[in-house]
Amino acid sequence: AQRVTQPEKLLSVFKGAPVELKCNYSYSGSPELFWYVQYSRQRLQLLLRHISRESIKGFTADLNKGETSFHLKKPFAQEEDSAMYYCALTNIAYDKVIFGPGTSLSVIP
Amino acid sequence: ETGVTQSPTHLIKTRGQQVTLRCSSQSGHNTVSWYQQALGQGPQFIFQYYREEENGRGNFPPRFSGLQFPNYSSELNVNALELDDSALYLCASSQLGRTGRGGGTDTQYFGPGTRLTVL
Repeated sequence: AQRVTQPEKLLSVFKGAPVELKCNYSYSGSPELFWYVQYSRQRLQLLLRHISRESIKGFTADLNKGETSFHLKKPFAQEEDSAMYYCALTNIAYDKVIFGPGTSLSVIP
Repeated sequence: ETGVTQSPTHLIKTRGQQVTLRCSSQSGHNTVSWYQQALGQGPQFIFQYYREEENGRGNFPPRFSGLQFPNYSSELNVNALELDDSALYLCASSQLGRTGRGGGTDTQYFGPGTRLTVL
């Protein structure tokens, strides 16, 4: 079965502390992995994708095929990082996207 | 560049009724995907339309149907509404197939959603 799991529904960290949002997936094949973010009163938007191998707003995510994980990390959390984060995957045809249930990140000043 | 828009913003229906939701894709995009997001959950993929044809479908019954028009805007139709259909419905547009169908690489741009309540 194809699915994305995010074990933490809520995650609170202090400003300046490291943050890691976990994402695990099950998929037969080679998926493309994404992180989407939704800030308060804003639309869902792409944060980063694994094929780009880039850092966005200080966030990075490494695809670990052995552990089927795609955890999102940032060394120093900022208050403006408080948001809902969704991990997602798609197939090579980009004709279906599977989202995880999301993790709400709260950065405490 | 115009962003993705959806209408209406919210609506209330009763069980058994039919509803049509609309989505205008971002300028230059040829693909629209629809998602259902129940409270406290992640978006669930309903289906995707690419150049006016259904290009992929999630695990939703046939009473969920859609259309895409020549200008790439799209409609989501739901027949015989059930209480569990109450959710936020999101559409997302993207540009697929630069290298042919299935060769897409592009980001999905989401609309603000339509909040549907079924009583």
